[in-house]
Amino acid sequence: NAGVTQTPKFQVLKTGQSMTLQCAQDMNHNSMYWYRQDPGMGLRLIYYSASEGTTDKGEVPNGYNVSRLNKREFSLRLESAAPSQTSVYFCASEVGPNTGELFFGEGSRLTVL
Amino acid sequence: AQSVTQLGSHVSVSEGALVLLRCNYSSSVPPYLFWYVQYPNQGLQLLLKYTSAATLVKGINGFEAEFKKSETSFHLTKPSAHMSDAAEYFCAVTSNTGNQFYFGTGTSLTVIP
Repeated sequence: NAGVTQTPKFQVLKTGQSMTLQCAQDMNHNSMYWYRQDPGMGLRLIYYSASEGTTDKGEVPNGYNVSRLNKREFSLRLESAAPSQTSVYFCASEVGPNTGELFFGEGSRLTVL
Repeated sequence: AQSVTQLGSHVSVSEGALVLLRCNYSSSVPPYLFWYVQYPNQGLQLLLKYTSAATLVKGINGFEAEFKKSETSFHLTKPSAHMSDAAEYFCAVTSNTGNQFYFGTGTSLTVIP
């Protein structure tokens, strides 16, 4: 089925461990985004990629790195996880250039102990 | 920078009653305004989008929103609530450059049978 696929769906880490969240879309969208969702704070943009080979910081980029591997894939890496990074992470792609419409994955729930 | 404020983090309505979820945007007129819905353990889905073509925007599942420049508002309404409407609703706005999206903190809608 067409859509945005995120892996893993659940992950528990210890403080200081590293991990990568994977995101892939098969809709040929150019722009992709990583958000984190925390209670009472809505969704906050971590990084985005307007096209293959480009990435830009969003509102809360500290502690994260991203890679736009190709048009389909946009990964989010935590180099040294901290409890403050416990959150639900969503990947999204933009339906078309300047449509402003986002298509979201189902989320990845990360707990850092 | 653009921003949106959602008034009321929790709203409860009886089945069949009017649904009104409030959203106010920052003073400069944004390129696009949106309402998204999130069902439990799922990603966000687009409900409707304002693009300046019409001030009253109709979306899916009987929802609509009216853009009021004088009130800097974009409230979401539905005449008659259904049990299946229980979800979290997010108002969102694009940046002036159109390449970033800013979400409100969300409103959780409960429908009472």
